[in-house]
Amino acid sequence: AQKVTQAQTEISVVEKEDVTLDCVYETRDTTYYLFWYKQPPSGELVFLIRRNSFDEQNEISGRYSWNFQKSTSSFNFTITASQVVDSAVYFCALSDPLVGTGNQFYFGTGTSLTVIP
Amino acid sequence: DVKVTQSSRYLVKRTGEKVFLECVQDMDHENMFWYRQDPGLGLRLIYFSYDVKMKEKGDIPEGYSVSREKKERFSLILESASTNQTSMYLCASVLLNTGELFFGEGSRLTVL
Repeated sequence: AQKVTQAQTEISVVEKEDVTLDCVYETRDTTYYLFWYKQPPSGELVFLIRRNSFDEQNEISGRYSWNFQKSTSSFNFTITASQVVDSAVYFCALSDPLVGTGNQFYFGTGTSLTVIP
Repeated sequence: DVKVTQSSRYLVKRTGEKVFLECVQDMDHENMFWYRQDPGLGLRLIYFSYDVKMKEKGDIPEGYSVSREKKERFSLILESASTNQTSMYLCASVLLNTGELFFGEGSRLTVL
């Protein structure tokens, strides 16, 4: 069965520190997608990144970077030089192959990040 | 920009009342979802729909029903609200070729 685990419930860092949010997943599919979403205090979840199971290249987008390792079933998210605006709940998610109808998304329980000025 | 709009941000209802939560998306997405978000439990799927008049149960469908009469609209119905249904409800639709979920702002329901 598909499962996403975010073991870190809450993290606090001081502004400008780097922080890594962990995500471990379980799936029997060989083709799947992994996502990170950000939920700021306003409540609306915002898409950050999608990675498919065949692409293990790390990705960097500004201060954000993602480390996908199939060998450890992990898809970790690092924020470099954190800022107060990064304070949010971050969700990791896994989805079934996108073959049309019925694809589902499986979310972790989220990590609440607080960046202290 | 893709927009998913939920009809109410905050609702307060009494036990036993019927509650409608409405969700509209403007990007012609086939798949739509209703999630419930509770502290420490993350997002749990209630129902999803992959076409008009089609629906599938998610992980926690008990006490809920849904309606999808038009492609852009997906409604969540609580036939008889109970206090344990106090929660944040999130609607989402998906762009199939990217898999990116678009979420509404959420509806925070309190059942007294």
